[in-house]
Amino acid sequence: KNQVEQSPQSLIILEGKNCTLQCNYTVSPFSNLRWYKQDTGRGPVSLTIMTFSENTKSNGRYTATLDADTKQSSLHITASQLSDSASYICVVGSLGGSYIPTFGRGTSLIVHP
Amino acid sequence: NAGVMQNPRHLVRRRGQEARLRCSPMKGHSHVYWYRQLPEEGLKFMVYLQKENIIDESGMPKERFSAEFPKEGPSILRIQQVVRGDSAAYFCASSPGQGQSYEQYFGPGTRLTVT
Repeated sequence: KNQVEQSPQSLIILEGKNCTLQCNYTVSPFSNLRWYKQDTGRGPVSLTIMTFSENTKSNGRYTATLDADTKQSSLHITASQLSDSASYICVVGSLGGSYIPTFGRGTSLIVHP
Repeated sequence: NAGVMQNPRHLVRRRGQEARLRCSPMKGHSHVYWYRQLPEEGLKFMVYLQKENIIDESGMPKERFSAEFPKEGPSILRIQQVVRGDSAAYFCASSPGQGQSYEQYFGPGTRLTVT
């Protein structure tokens, strides 16, 4: 069964600090992995997308890594800002079969001043 | 180029009433997904539609829920005889093609409250 597990479930950090969010998946055969940011009361917005051949992708202060061998991904946030407070969702797509990717439950990040 | 639009943004219904949620995909997108999100929970897939076709409704409750995406107009998620457990945020997403390699673009959601 395809599954995506994210950790930690929630995280509180001080403004200016760095943090790393984790995503482990069992989706097979693997197609792509996306990280979304969902602000409270809004729809998710894509941050990065990686395919099998890519092991890192950056979007400003967000850097995602992918290890397809261990089926792990991380999202690193550098120099956090108050606006980074949100839920971060890992979504993994597979080849063939279902048209629906597998969603993680998200990590809730709170950045305090 | 407008993004995915959903309306209404907030909807209050009494138990037993019907709720109709609308989703207008991005221009040029003919694929629509509906998701439900309970408070403090992740997004749960409900249904995937193309114009005039339901492709995958494996996440849709068998009773009271239905969805359509007509040739003209927005996609509609309909919930009949709503119950308190239907209170949630409902998101739709659109994509330009079929399959998991295409990115889904999400709307702002409709927050349904059943009183």
